[in-house]
Amino acid sequence: ETGVTQTPRHLVMGMTNKKSLKCEQHLGHNAMYWYKQSAKKPLELMFVYNFKEQTENNSVPSRFSPECPNSSHLFLHLHTLQPEDSALYLCASSQEEDRGYSPLHFGNGTRLTVT
Amino acid sequence: GEDVEQSLFLSVREGDSSVINCTYTDSSSTYLYWYKQEPGAGLQLLTYIFSNMDMKQDQRLTVLLNKKDKHLSLRIADTQTGDSAIYFCAEGGSSASKIIFGSGTRLSIRP
Repeated sequence: ETGVTQTPRHLVMGMTNKKSLKCEQHLGHNAMYWYKQSAKKPLELMFVYNFKEQTENNSVPSRFSPECPNSSHLFLHLHTLQPEDSALYLCASSQEEDRGYSPLHFGNGTRLTVT
Repeated sequence: GEDVEQSLFLSVREGDSSVINCTYTDSSSTYLYWYKQEPGAGLQLLTYIFSNMDMKQDQRLTVLLNKKDKHLSLRIADTQTGDSAIYFCAEGGSSASKIIFGSGTRLSIRP
C-alpha cells in the first residue's frame, strides 16, 4: 500500500448518527490535513496536525472532531451533522523540510452525504 | 489576504496544446503547484516548481513562472482525452496551513 488511503470512499449518514472517517499515509510524512471540498466552493482547510499536534483549526464546528494518534493515521469523527456538511472530505499529508513543507499528497476522499 | 485566481473553463481540441493560467498574490510562497482532479478522485500532484525557478519541464507538461507578475502557467502538449479533469493551481509551502488553492480550471477535450 502506498500513498494516502482514505476509508470509506462513500458514506451516507443521518443527522443523528455518529461515524468516523479514516486516513492513513504510507509516505513517512510528519504533517496531516483534513480538507473539505464542496461544489462551487474553493477547497477549505479544516485541520492540520504536525508531529501529531494539532496546529490549525479553521473555525470548524465542534460536530467535527479530529484525532491523530500517530504521524501515520488521522481520523475525523462526525456527529450530529447537517445536510450542508455533505461534501468530499480529503485527507492529505506532507513533510516539513528546512525550506518549508513539501507538496501535499492527497487521498481519494470520502464522499459524505448527510440525509 | 492571499488569493489564487484561475479561469473556470478551458476547451481544447485533441492533439492541441492546453495552457492553463493562474495568478497568485503571496510573493513569499516557497512552492507553486499544479494538481489534477478526475471525477470521483482526490487531487493528484502533477508537478510543482520552486519559487526560485522560471521553468520546469516534465514530459508533456511545462510549467512557467513569472515571479514579477505573480503568474503561473501549465502547458500540456498533445492534449489527450485522458487529460480531461479539473486542474488546481496552488501556492504555499512556508507553513503547514498556508497553502492556498485556486478554484480549479475544468479542461474539456473536443475531438
